[in-house]
Amino acid sequence: GDSVTQMEGPVTLSEEAFLTINCTYTATGYPSLFWYVQYPGEGLQLLLKATKADDKGSNKGFEATYRKETTSFHLEKGSVQVSDSAVYFCALILLSGGYQKVTFGTGTKLQVIP
Amino acid sequence: ETGVTQTPRHLVMGMTNKKSLKCEQHLGHNAMYWYKQSAKKPLELMFVYSLEERVENNSVPSRFSPECPNSSHLFLHLHTLQPEDSALYLCASSSRGYQETQYFGPGTRLLVL
Repeated sequence: GDSVTQMEGPVTLSEEAFLTINCTYTATGYPSLFWYVQYPGEGLQLLLKATKADDKGSNKGFEATYRKETTSFHLEKGSVQVSDSAVYFCALILLSGGYQKVTFGTGTKLQVIP
Repeated sequence: ETGVTQTPRHLVMGMTNKKSLKCEQHLGHNAMYWYKQSAKKPLELMFVYSLEERVENNSVPSRFSPECPNSSHLFLHLHTLQPEDSALYLCASSSRGYQETQYFGPGTRLLVL
């Protein structure tokens, strides 16, 4: 079946450090790939997405590139801020019977300290 | 009111109670979803409605009963729950293509005593 594997957290970084959160996937078709972010007490918000191989999604300084050859979609940011502290979820979406079938990773908690 | 809203935000109920969670989307989407988020577990898809018809039920116990009266509203009716059902319940909506983003509500934090 389809699956998403994320690095275990929590990840603790100092402000302005470089961030990488690894995400790899297995899928039976050609999925779209997403990163969602969840701040404390809130639902999930879309951070960025990529819908085909070699696409790069970007938003708010975060980037991720859809790598079909390595089945990966790693999240990166050059300089993190305290406000980036949240839980980050990698997800893949396939179409199944006319509706979206979503598979989420377990989430990676990021803590940024001043 | 924009996006996806959920009410109530917090709910405490006993195992013999009956309650309902409500979700409303103002995005013109035609698919809606219920997820369960428990600590240290991946998000679990519970139900999917596409064009107001239920198309997925991931082996969810019958004590959870969904209802989708129209494309903008989704309910989750709860009865005789167990303490292990305590979790954050998230609603989401999307258009039907696989490239389309799912938009999430803030969730209902449920505690079953």
